[in-house]
Amino acid sequence: AQSVTQLDSQVPVFEEAPVELRCNYSSSVSVYLFWYVQYPNQGLQLLLKYLSGSTLVKGINGFEAEFNKSQTSFHLRKPSVHISDTAEYFCAVSELSGGYQKVTFGTGTKLQVIP
Amino acid sequence: DSGVTQTPKHLITATGQRVTLRCSPRSGDLSVYWYQQSLDQGLQFLIQYYNGEERAKGNILERFSAQQFPDLHSELNLSSLELGDSALYFCASSMTRGTSGSGGETQYFGPGTRLLVL
Repeated sequence: AQSVTQLDSQVPVFEEAPVELRCNYSSSVSVYLFWYVQYPNQGLQLLLKYLSGSTLVKGINGFEAEFNKSQTSFHLRKPSVHISDTAEYFCAVSELSGGYQKVTFGTGTKLQVIP
Repeated sequence: DSGVTQTPKHLITATGQRVTLRCSPRSGDLSVYWYQQSLDQGLQFLIQYYNGEERAKGNILERFSAQQFPDLHSELNLSSLELGDSALYFCASSMTRGTSGSGGETQYFGPGTRLLVL
């Protein structure tokens, strides 16, 4: 069974500082990895996803993530955060199960950008 | 705007009541997913439909049921409501097309329905 662990429930960071949000996963088969962002009072939207190929994935708003198969990790990074990045970030793993996509979300990490 | 619509936006009701939440997926998407988000449980997957058929079940209570109609919109029915059912309910859709899907499809989320049970 697949699972996702987001190690930090909250991450405070000063504006313009770098940030890393950690995500570890477990799965018995080939997986696809996602990061979604949820701004206050909104639904989730895709930041980036890893399907195959280059292990460094670039997403929207200057975020990037690196897939590390040996460490089963998919950490999200941004070199310089803005106030507008304050949101909750969800890591998710997806696999084909019985021919259909099965997605498991992590518990989320709240990023608080401090002016 | 994700293209997924949900109604109503807010719902306030009493314990023991029954409510129906509605979701219209993005044009062309055949899969619909329902999620519950609460402060104590986080984001929980409830159920998935593909082209009118139930395909996967998550942590969905027996008091809850869902269906997907021929026009692909979906409804989530919550009955015998309890205080603990108060949460944000999201619908998402994707282009997953059964066995031809790759497993890497993006899910597009609606804005959610905020349910408050008093």
